[in-house]
Amino acid sequence: GIQVEQSPPDLILQEGANSTLRCNFSDSVNNLQWFHQNPWGQLINLFYIPSGTKQNGRLSATTVATERYSLLYISSSQTTDSGVYFCAVTLSGGYNKLIFGAGTRLAVHP
Amino acid sequence: KAGVTQTPRYLIKTRGQQVTLSCSPISGHRSVSWYQQTPGQGLQFLFEYFSETQRNKGNFPGRFSGRQFSNSRSEMNVSTLELGDSALYLCASSLAQGIKNTEAFFGQGTRLTVV
Repeated sequence: GIQVEQSPPDLILQEGANSTLRCNFSDSVNNLQWFHQNPWGQLINLFYIPSGTKQNGRLSATTVATERYSLLYISSSQTTDSGVYFCAVTLSGGYNKLIFGAGTRLAVHP
Repeated sequence: KAGVTQTPRYLIKTRGQQVTLSCSPISGHRSVSWYQQTPGQGLQFLFEYFSETQRNKGNFPGRFSGRQFSNSRSEMNVSTLELGDSALYLCASSLAQGIKNTEAFFGQGTRLTVV
């Protein structure tokens, strides 16, 4: 089956720093989403981005479907950005089944 | 617009018991999917329901089952609980226009502890 790999697995930043999280996938995908899991466990939607580039405040994402990767950029990081970031993909014929990567655990220190 | 609502938020059960978790999707969303999150296995797909029919199933034993009602609310049931079933169970809601997959939105989860 498809492999979804996220890197780095762990990231420690000082407040104000920028970072790039990567998601590689081993096969063609229909859709891709980025989530932030808060300390209470809820997955918060960041981007729904099967291809192209989107921006939302300090966050932006780029998916290059032909090369099978997506990037999540966090600029001017804040302590509230801490948590785990997941990318998840859906496959053609897979309906709404999301296949998740293992996540990147981000810690932002003041 | 109300988000995805999962109840209960926390649950403690004894091995061998059964448990039922509930999920109310976003109004107008017809697809509900369930996921299990554990430290060792990460986030794994359990099943998806659309228009009261299960249309996709993950690799879990038959002790895990679910259903969807005509108002799109969904329940999942785990029978004969095992210690390894301790996990965060997350429900996702999607608009799901026919076979086209659409953006998924998650509830806050139910944290199940089996003792």
